[in-house]
Amino acid sequence: SYELTQPPSVSVSPGQTVSITCSGDELGDKYVCWYQQKPGQSPVLVVFQDDRRPSGIPERFSGSNSGNTATLTISGTQASDEADYYCQTWDSRTVFGGGTKLTVL
Amino acid sequence: QVQLQESGPGLVKPSETLFLSCSVSGGSINNYYWTWIRQPPGKGLEWIACISDSGDTKENPSLKSRVIMSLDISKNLFSLSLNSVTAADTAVYYCARDVRGSGGWRGNDYWGPGTLVTVSS
Repeated sequence: SYELTQPPSVSVSPGQTVSITCSGDELGDKYVCWYQQKPGQSPVLVVFQDDRRPSGIPERFSGSNSGNTATLTISGTQASDEADYYCQTWDSRTVFGGGTKLTVL
Repeated sequence: QVQLQESGPGLVKPSETLFLSCSVSGGSINNYYWTWIRQPPGKGLEWIACISDSGDTKENPSLKSRVIMSLDISKNLFSLSLNSVTAADTAVYYCARDVRGSGGWRGNDYWGPGTLVTVSS
């Protein structure tokens, strides 16, 4: 079965840029979505189709996908960006990565 | 604004069947897929299954033998049945809209608030 791998945690200082990776076999051939989930809340879609932002999502969130790795990049990170982030793809069924906890120090 | 709301019992006994419904308001069920996703306490997201507006279903292979999804377009709701539950099925269950069409798959753009289901005797 298809699997997506994310680092369990990453940290960043306020105002800096942080990247969260998501790895899978030939992932670049598939569409990838990214979700932000804060404690006690439902996930929120922040990137779809690799690099597109839903309306209302700040421009500091961007995505890319090539080869075996998709990347979510947050520029000018704010304290409010501290959350869990999940990547997702479709490979005859939906698959989620294990999630990455982003800490803004 | 599309809104989804899960409903169902918060406590289910082991070996019994978990049944949840998701009511959709502010939009039509037509032209979308509809999905169930769960999250065990303190853990990550797990996709359960989805159903199209025509009733075609796709299930997580690890749950397929226990899952049934259904759709009631007249009531704008869809449902999940998960049988033979165990403590491992304890989780927050989310319903969500799944966008896919001529422009390609776009993921889950609207989610319900989630409902905690505990499996315990």
